[in-house]
Amino acid sequence: EKVMTQSPATLSVSPGERATLSCRASQSVSYNLAWYQQKPGQAPRLLIYGASTRATGIPARFSGSGSGTEFTLTISSLQSEDFAVYYCQQYNTWPQTFGQGTKVEIK
Amino acid sequence: EVQLVQSGAEVKKPGESLKISCKGSGYSFTSYWITWVRQMPGKGLEWMGIIYPGDSDTRYSPSFQGQVTISADKSISTAYLQWSTLKASDTAIYYCARPGVGALSRLDYWGQGTLVTVSS
Repeated sequence: EKVMTQSPATLSVSPGERATLSCRASQSVSYNLAWYQQKPGQAPRLLIYGASTRATGIPARFSGSGSGTEFTLTISSLQSEDFAVYYCQQYNTWPQTFGQGTKVEIK
Repeated sequence: EVQLVQSGAEVKKPGESLKISCKGSGYSFTSYWITWVRQMPGKGLEWMGIIYPGDSDTRYSPSFQGQVTISADKSISTAYLQWSTLKASDTAIYYCARPGVGALSRLDYWGQGTLVTVSS
Protein backbone atom coordinates (compact mmCIF):
# COMPACT_ATOMS: atom_id res chain seq x y z
CA GLU A 1 0.00 0.00 0.00
CA LYS A 2 1.31 3.44 -0.94
CA VAL A 3 1.42 5.83 1.98
CA MET A 4 0.64 9.49 1.28
CA THR A 5 2.10 12.02 3.72
CA GLN A 6 0.91 15.62 3.73
CA SER A 7 2.64 18.58 5.30
CA PRO A 8 2.14 20.67 7.22
CA ALA A 9 -0.78 19.35 9.26
CA THR A 10 -2.01 22.92 9.76
CA LEU A 11 -1.16 26.03 7.77
CA SER A 12 -2.02 29.47 9.13
CA VAL A 13 -2.33 32.02 6.35
CA SER A 14 -3.72 35.54 6.05
CA PRO A 15 -6.32 36.28 3.35
CA GLY A 16 -4.62 37.35 0.15
CA GLU A 17 -1.45 35.44 0.91
CA ARG A 18 -0.08 32.40 -0.89
CA ALA A 19 -0.46 28.90 0.53
CA THR A 20 1.73 25.97 -0.42
CA LEU A 21 0.72 22.44 0.59
CA SER A 22 2.86 19.36 0.12
CA CYS A 23 2.07 15.70 -0.47
CA ARG A 24 4.67 12.95 -0.59
CA ALA A 25 4.14 9.36 -1.77
CA SER A 26 6.06 6.41 -0.32
CA GLN A 27 6.56 5.11 -3.88
CA SER A 28 6.07 6.69 -7.27
CA VAL A 29 2.46 7.33 -8.30
CA SER A 30 3.47 8.92 -11.61
CA TYR A 31 0.99 11.75 -12.30
CA ASN A 32 -1.96 9.88 -10.77
CA LEU A 33 -2.54 12.33 -7.96
CA ALA A 34 -5.65 14.31 -7.06
CA TRP A 35 -6.35 17.09 -4.56
CA TYR A 36 -9.66 17.60 -2.77
CA GLN A 37 -11.06 20.39 -0.63
CA GLN A 38 -13.38 19.66 2.26
CA LYS A 39 -15.28 22.24 4.27
CA PRO A 40 -17.00 21.45 7.58
CA GLY A 41 -20.19 19.46 7.11
CA GLN A 42 -19.62 19.01 3.38
CA ALA A 43 -18.44 16.23 1.12
CA PRO A 44 -14.98 16.59 -0.42
CA ARG A 45 -14.73 18.41 -3.73
CA LEU A 46 -12.27 17.58 -6.49
CA LEU A 47 -9.84 20.43 -7.19
CA ILE A 48 -6.96 18.98 -9.17
CA TYR A 49 -6.33 15.69 -10.96
CA GLY A 50 -3.47 14.31 -13.00
CA ALA A 51 -1.27 16.26 -10.54
CA SER A 52 -1.85 19.57 -12.32
CA THR A 53 -5.20 19.70 -14.17
CA ARG A 54 -7.89 21.82 -12.56
CA ALA A 55 -11.31 20.22 -12.32
CA THR A 56 -14.30 21.88 -13.93
CA GLY A 57 -15.19 25.18 -12.29
CA ILE A 58 -12.10 25.41 -10.09
CA PRO A 59 -10.61 28.94 -9.97
CA ALA A 60 -7.23 29.58 -11.52
CA ARG A 61 -5.75 30.53 -8.13
CA PHE A 62 -5.53 26.78 -7.44
CA SER A 63 -2.61 25.04 -9.11
CA GLY A 64 -0.94 21.67 -8.74
CA SER A 65 2.50 20.44 -9.64
CA GLY A 66 4.80 17.49 -9.22
CA SER A 67 5.17 13.89 -10.31
CA GLY A 68 6.48 10.63 -8.96
CA THR A 69 6.64 11.07 -5.20
CA GLU A 70 6.55 14.84 -4.59
CA PHE A 71 3.51 17.02 -5.19
CA THR A 72 2.43 20.54 -4.36
CA LEU A 73 -0.90 22.35 -4.23
CA THR A 74 -0.59 26.12 -4.39
CA ILE A 75 -3.34 28.62 -3.67
CA SER A 76 -2.00 31.87 -5.06
CA SER A 77 -4.10 34.36 -3.09
CA LEU A 78 -6.27 32.91 -0.37
CA GLN A 79 -9.91 33.91 -0.34
CA SER A 80 -12.19 33.52 2.66
CA GLU A 81 -13.89 30.53 1.05
CA ASP A 82 -10.57 28.66 0.71
CA PHE A 83 -10.13 28.03 4.42
CA ALA A 84 -10.76 24.30 4.61
CA VAL A 85 -9.01 20.93 4.82
CA TYR A 86 -7.16 19.67 1.75
CA TYR A 87 -6.44 16.03 0.94
CA CYS A 88 -4.24 14.44 -1.68
CA GLN A 89 -5.10 11.02 -3.11
CA GLN A 90 -3.11 8.63 -5.26
CA TYR A 91 -5.05 6.58 -7.78
CA ASN A 92 -2.07 4.90 -9.38
CA THR A 93 -2.51 1.51 -7.72
CA TRP A 94 -4.82 -0.49 -5.44
CA PRO A 95 -5.71 0.32 -2.82
CA GLN A 96 -6.08 3.98 -3.58
CA THR A 97 -4.93 6.02 -0.61
CA PHE A 98 -5.42 9.49 0.82
CA GLY A 99 -3.07 11.72 2.74
CA GLN A 100 -4.06 12.67 6.28
CA GLY A 101 -5.00 16.20 5.25
CA THR A 102 -3.75 19.77 5.69
CA LYS A 103 -5.99 22.26 7.44
CA VAL A 104 -5.67 25.79 6.06
CA GLU A 105 -6.78 28.21 8.74
CA ILE A 106 -7.03 31.97 9.02
CA LYS A 107 -3.97 33.60 10.57
CA GLU B 1 -26.41 16.45 -14.11
CA VAL B 2 -24.56 13.65 -12.33
CA GLN B 3 -25.92 13.05 -8.84
CA LEU B 4 -25.19 10.55 -6.11
CA VAL B 5 -27.86 10.54 -3.43
CA GLN B 6 -27.18 8.58 -0.27
CA SER B 7 -29.57 7.16 2.29
CA GLY B 8 -30.19 8.95 5.56
CA ALA B 9 -28.41 8.88 8.89
CA GLU B 10 -28.55 5.69 10.93
CA VAL B 11 -28.29 4.98 14.65
CA LYS B 12 -27.56 1.37 15.48
CA LYS B 13 -26.43 -0.78 18.40
CA PRO B 14 -23.26 -2.86 18.40
CA GLY B 15 -23.89 -6.27 16.88
CA GLU B 16 -26.67 -5.07 14.58
CA SER B 17 -26.55 -5.23 10.80
CA LEU B 18 -26.87 -2.32 8.39
CA LYS B 19 -27.03 -1.58 4.67
CA ILE B 20 -26.69 1.96 3.36
CA SER B 21 -27.27 3.04 -0.21
CA CYS B 22 -26.08 5.37 -2.93
CA LYS B 23 -28.32 6.08 -5.92
CA GLY B 24 -26.73 7.38 -9.09
CA SER B 25 -28.48 9.47 -11.71
CA GLY B 26 -27.63 11.65 -14.69
CA TYR B 27 -25.22 9.17 -16.24
CA SER B 28 -24.96 5.53 -17.31
CA PHE B 29 -24.79 3.81 -13.92
CA THR B 30 -23.44 0.56 -15.36
CA SER B 31 -20.52 2.27 -17.12
CA TYR B 32 -18.74 3.82 -14.14
CA TRP B 33 -17.31 2.43 -10.93
CA ILE B 34 -18.58 3.54 -7.51
CA THR B 35 -16.20 3.99 -4.58
CA TRP B 36 -16.90 4.05 -0.85
CA VAL B 37 -14.89 6.31 1.48
CA ARG B 38 -14.96 6.41 5.29
CA GLN B 39 -14.42 9.46 7.47
CA MET B 40 -14.29 8.78 11.19
CA PRO B 41 -15.19 11.67 13.53
CA GLY B 42 -12.65 14.46 13.19
CA LYS B 43 -10.41 12.34 10.99
CA GLY B 44 -9.32 12.06 7.36
CA LEU B 45 -10.58 10.15 4.36
CA GLU B 46 -10.08 6.39 3.95
CA TRP B 47 -10.65 4.54 0.68
CA MET B 48 -12.67 1.41 1.42
CA GLY B 49 -13.42 -0.27 -1.85
CA ILE B 50 -14.97 -0.02 -5.28
CA ILE B 51 -17.56 -1.75 -7.43
CA TYR B 52 -18.36 -1.79 -11.13
CA PRO B 53 -22.15 -2.02 -11.32
CA GLY B 54 -22.00 -3.35 -14.87
CA ASP B 55 -20.71 -6.73 -13.73
CA SER B 56 -20.37 -6.32 -9.93
CA ASP B 57 -16.57 -6.59 -10.06
CA THR B 58 -15.53 -5.49 -6.58
CA ARG B 59 -12.19 -4.60 -4.96
CA TYR B 60 -11.53 -3.87 -1.30
CA SER B 61 -8.80 -2.12 0.60
CA PRO B 62 -7.04 -4.72 2.80
CA SER B 63 -8.08 -2.62 5.80
CA PHE B 64 -11.75 -3.22 5.01
CA GLN B 65 -11.71 -6.67 3.38
CA GLY B 66 -13.98 -8.96 5.39
CA GLN B 67 -15.34 -6.07 7.46
CA VAL B 68 -17.88 -4.74 4.96
CA THR B 69 -19.62 -5.87 1.78
CA ILE B 70 -20.05 -3.67 -1.27
CA SER B 71 -22.76 -4.52 -3.76
CA ALA B 72 -24.90 -2.93 -6.45
CA ASP B 73 -28.31 -3.33 -8.06
CA LYS B 74 -28.01 -1.99 -11.57
CA SER B 75 -31.75 -2.27 -12.17
CA ILE B 76 -32.29 0.62 -9.75
CA SER B 77 -28.91 2.37 -10.22
CA THR B 78 -27.98 1.88 -6.59
CA ALA B 79 -24.80 0.81 -4.82
CA TYR B 80 -24.69 -0.48 -1.26
CA LEU B 81 -22.35 -0.75 1.68
CA GLN B 82 -23.28 -3.23 4.35
CA TRP B 83 -22.18 -4.58 7.69
CA SER B 84 -23.30 -7.86 9.25
CA THR B 85 -22.10 -7.02 12.76
CA LEU B 86 -21.57 -3.36 13.61
CA LYS B 87 -18.99 -2.17 16.13
CA ALA B 88 -18.69 1.16 17.88
CA SER B 89 -15.60 1.82 15.77
CA ASP B 90 -17.79 1.79 12.63
CA THR B 91 -19.17 5.17 13.71
CA ALA B 92 -18.31 7.48 10.82
CA ILE B 93 -19.56 9.34 7.80
CA TYR B 94 -19.55 7.16 4.70
CA TYR B 95 -19.35 8.73 1.27
CA CYS B 96 -19.92 7.16 -2.09
CA ALA B 97 -18.08 8.73 -5.00
CA ARG B 98 -17.83 8.18 -8.72
CA PRO B 99 -14.43 8.04 -10.36
CA GLY B 100 -13.81 9.32 -13.85
CA VAL B 101 -13.28 6.80 -16.61
CA GLY B 102 -11.93 3.55 -15.20
CA ALA B 103 -11.43 2.33 -11.67
CA LEU B 104 -8.05 3.98 -11.18
CA SER B 105 -9.22 7.56 -11.53
CA ARG B 106 -9.88 10.68 -9.55
CA LEU B 107 -13.21 10.98 -7.72
CA ASP B 108 -15.24 13.42 -9.78
CA TYR B 109 -18.57 13.23 -8.01
CA TRP B 110 -19.47 12.63 -4.38
CA GLY B 111 -22.62 11.78 -2.49
CA GLN B 112 -23.66 13.91 0.45
CA GLY B 113 -22.51 11.30 2.97
CA THR B 114 -24.35 9.00 5.37
CA LEU B 115 -23.65 9.35 9.10
CA VAL B 116 -23.63 5.99 10.85
CA THR B 117 -23.63 6.06 14.65
CA VAL B 118 -23.09 2.82 16.52
CA SER B 119 -23.72 3.11 20.23
CA SER B 120 -25.20 1.03 23.00
